Amino acid sequence: GESVGLHLPTLSVQEGDNSIINCAYSNSASDYFIWYKQESGKGPQFIIDIRSNMDKRQGQRVTVLLNKTVKHLSLQIAATQPGDSAVYFCAEKALSSGSARQLTFGSGTQLTVLP
Amino acid sequence: EAQVTQNPRYLITVTGKKLTVTCSQNMNHEYMSWYRQDPGLGLRQIYYSMNVEVTDKGDVPEGYKVSRKEKRNFPLILESPSPNQTSLYFCASAAGVLGSYNEQFFGPGTRLTVL
Repeated sequence: GESVGLHLPTLSVQEGDNSIINCAYSNSASDYFIWYKQESGKGPQFIIDIRSNMDKRQGQRVTVLLNKTVKHLSLQIAATQPGDSAVYFCAEKALSSGSARQLTFGSGTQLTVLP
Repeated sequence: EAQVTQNPRYLITVTGKKLTVTCSQNMNHEYMSWYRQDPGLGLRQIYYSMNVEVTDKGDVPEGYKVSRKEKRNFPLILESPSPNQTSLYFCASAAGVLGSYNEQFFGPGTRLTVL
């Protein structure tokens, strides 16, 4: 079946280093891929999205890369800060019948920023 | 302040006792949705609503009901809660057709325990 998953459940990085969070997807019919951040005790917060016809999109300190050949998505965070510690979810929005406006979320990666 | 509010934030109940979790947004968003979050499973969609009086099942609708009588409110109803509905619940809203479905604004969550 369709799934959105992550390579690693946890990731630790030193403050100031760059972080790369990876995500694999299986549904080739998705038209958008989205990253959310969830801090402890809070609801998820939208970070950035990328349309399926794009390879790269940059935001403020974040870059999302999409490799459709291997169905891989990554979120790069530049100069990681303590406030970046959170669980990061990738999600896809599929064009399959009846679910054009639904998001399917992965299980999340816990990013820990070390001092 | 633009926000999604949920009540209650914490609830402990017993099997079979009907309960309602309220959700309200003040952003005039068309789209609203309920998710449940369980360890290792990420966020799974329960129900969503494209607009007033329009609701659709998500991936895990069994045991839940929703209604959308007003644009700002989207309550989640558990007619006869069971222990397998113990979870962390999030309500979310999005601008929808007038903006984006990808950028969803999440409430703070409701932690439900069914004994």
